[in-house]
Amino acid sequence: DIVMTQSPDSLAVSLGERATLHCKSSQSVLFSSNNRNCMGWYQQKPGQPPKLLIYWASTRESGVPDRFSGSGSGTDFTLTITNLQAEDVAVYFCQQCYRAPWTFGQGTRVEIK
Amino acid sequence: QVQLVESGGGVVQPGRSLRLSCAASGFSLTRSGMHWVRQAPGEGLLWVAVIWADGSHEDYADSVKGRFTISRDISKNTLYLQMDSLRAEDTAVYFCARDLGGRPFDLWGQGTLVTVSS
Repeated sequence: DIVMTQSPDSLAVSLGERATLHCKSSQSVLFSSNNRNCMGWYQQKPGQPPKLLIYWASTRESGVPDRFSGSGSGTDFTLTITNLQAEDVAVYFCQQCYRAPWTFGQGTRVEIK
Repeated sequence: QVQLVESGGGVVQPGRSLRLSCAASGFSLTRSGMHWVRQAPGEGLLWVAVIWADGSHEDYADSVKGRFTISRDISKNTLYLQMDSLRAEDTAVYFCARDLGGRPFDLWGQGTLVTVSS
């Protein structure tokens, strides 16, 4: 199975500042056929399902604010939240869709400092 | 409106069965792979099962293989998860989610809580 490891487990950031979340996969999730990394980032707030923010490592889902951005390739990925807003308080998960079983990171909790 | 609505959760004794439903609207299940994902209280996300868009293939997490069965009724545009021989560790919120192919899950239901307890 592909193991997805997120860091840090939690992060406290001041309003308006930048939050940087990391995700590392135990093997590459890059499809050589189309040069796309099959991974994404989700935001989950209490009592709600996960919401897809970023797919293919760096493509923002429709309707997602542009303060959310994704980067990385192969095995190392980053989600950056610039100008952190109060409504961004949530747990963020990464996921690989390269191979079954589909696996998720353990999550990073983002809080306001 | 494109959405997924789960139902069927509840409290069940260990060893018993339960069937979850996921009603899809605004799109056809024949055009999407569909998954079940669960989340134990206060825990992370765990993939459970998938059925391919053409219905030709299913796959399961090792922890549920042989006990859970994913299926769908195209006429009702509804996805199911038959859960047999339930264990306490199956207690979780179960989400259904859409897979458009080669990308993460773009649409999720609100989830249904399954509690396995005597």
